[in-house]
Amino acid sequence: DAGVIQSPRHEVTEMGQEVTLRCKPISGHDYLFWYRQTMMRGLELLIYFNNNVPIDDSGMPEDRFSAKMPNASFSTLKIQPSEPRDSAVYFCASSLAKGVLNSPLHFGNGTRLTVT
Amino acid sequence: SQKIEQNSEALNIQEGKTATLTCNYTNYSPAYLQWYRQDPGRGPVFLLLIRENEKEKRKERLKVTFDTTLKQSLFHITASQPADSATYLCALDLTGGGNKLTFGTGTQLKVEL
Repeated sequence: DAGVIQSPRHEVTEMGQEVTLRCKPISGHDYLFWYRQTMMRGLELLIYFNNNVPIDDSGMPEDRFSAKMPNASFSTLKIQPSEPRDSAVYFCASSLAKGVLNSPLHFGNGTRLTVT
Repeated sequence: SQKIEQNSEALNIQEGKTATLTCNYTNYSPAYLQWYRQDPGRGPVFLLLIRENEKEKRKERLKVTFDTTLKQSLFHITASQPADSATYLCALDLTGGGNKLTFGTGTQLKVEL
């Protein structure tokens, strides 16, 4: 089991550029979550999917953020255009079909995004 | 509004002692609560889940209690070791839907020799 795989590990970009973060969940996990972590706000849930369908995107901060899950083994989080306040560590996590109540989250090691 | 509170100050203890971390929440009564460990540069790793009808859960040197009256969970590490040094996060679903985990900001634990 390779765990949740995120890429890239680090991303440095200039304000206004498009950023795409990638995630491969654990095979067989039907839930996928995108979180953002900052010192000030901690871990914040941005959006989650069930069976590739977005269920709750109420945590997505602005229209500049979008997420897709075209298939069970791949998801992207896109920021366009990026701003310095988007600088954070972005985590992807997955869990089994039973849901978080019975199945914990498995996190990737995150993408550290720096927008200058 | 719903809130999860963990002590933001780092907890420094001596090796061999018991570390006790606190997680308080307001308003909602969650069906369960989870604890995670996070090391620098890594994602959180699940440790324990405790349900509302369970007062206590143990796993090796770890013990979690869940007091739904006080709206508080305590996380204990007995016989602490330097390798236990990390940030510990509690998490619970504040919506009742079962799939939307909200995390506390975490408490950093440092175990010294």
